[in-house]
Amino acid sequence: DAGITQSPRHKVTETGTPVTLRCHQTENHRYMYWYRQDPGHGLRLIHYSYGVKDTDKGEVSDGYSVSRSKTEDFLLTLESATSSQTSVYFCAISESRDGAETQYFGPGTRLLVL
Amino acid sequence: LAKTTQPISMDSYEGQEVNITCSHNNIATNDYITWYQQFPSQGPRFIIQGYKTKVTNEVASLFIPADRKSSTLSLPRVSLSDTAVYYCLVGQSSASKIIFGSGTRLSIRP
Repeated sequence: DAGITQSPRHKVTETGTPVTLRCHQTENHRYMYWYRQDPGHGLRLIHYSYGVKDTDKGEVSDGYSVSRSKTEDFLLTLESATSSQTSVYFCAISESRDGAETQYFGPGTRLLVL
Repeated sequence: LAKTTQPISMDSYEGQEVNITCSHNNIATNDYITWYQQFPSQGPRFIIQGYKTKVTNEVASLFIPADRKSSTLSLPRVSLSDTAVYYCLVGQSSASKIIFGSGTRLSIRP
């Protein structure tokens, strides 16, 4: 599992409240990612990081912000949660493998916004 | 950005060989092809990755023709535990160039 943990694993919140999800890795990987997965869809990239304090947007970044103040932690924040952000959120790291990058995923966080 | 097209679903039986084909017509020169497996309530898990020709590991084989516009994941002698969603990805090291499609839902029956 490449030493990836996510917290919390489950969360129920109300519309308009802020929510922060944490991804923690223990193997000093440079690249970290946040994805969301909705029923019937594949994973969609929200934001990613290529180093401490270095982040960039993915394809569905609206309504989300991220921070990476240290290598091992990558935080995803929903400033004001909406029902459309109900989803399963996966964190990933990437590792160089035979000349190509391969991603390894955490266990996921199931978020329900009421 | 290289997008992929794969069948939405496939059915097979235990002990059979299953081949899942993925189309990626606009694959770039530096792109690798990677396949992931995902079980319900879990994150995707790396299966196999290749650039050209054939790659084999303890789990699967990956066949890539010379033009690299498609690839085929081959699962030998599947079991019920191979029931999962399989994703084909094409991309490089930068996450912004990697796109997950909807995957192929593989169902294995006794």
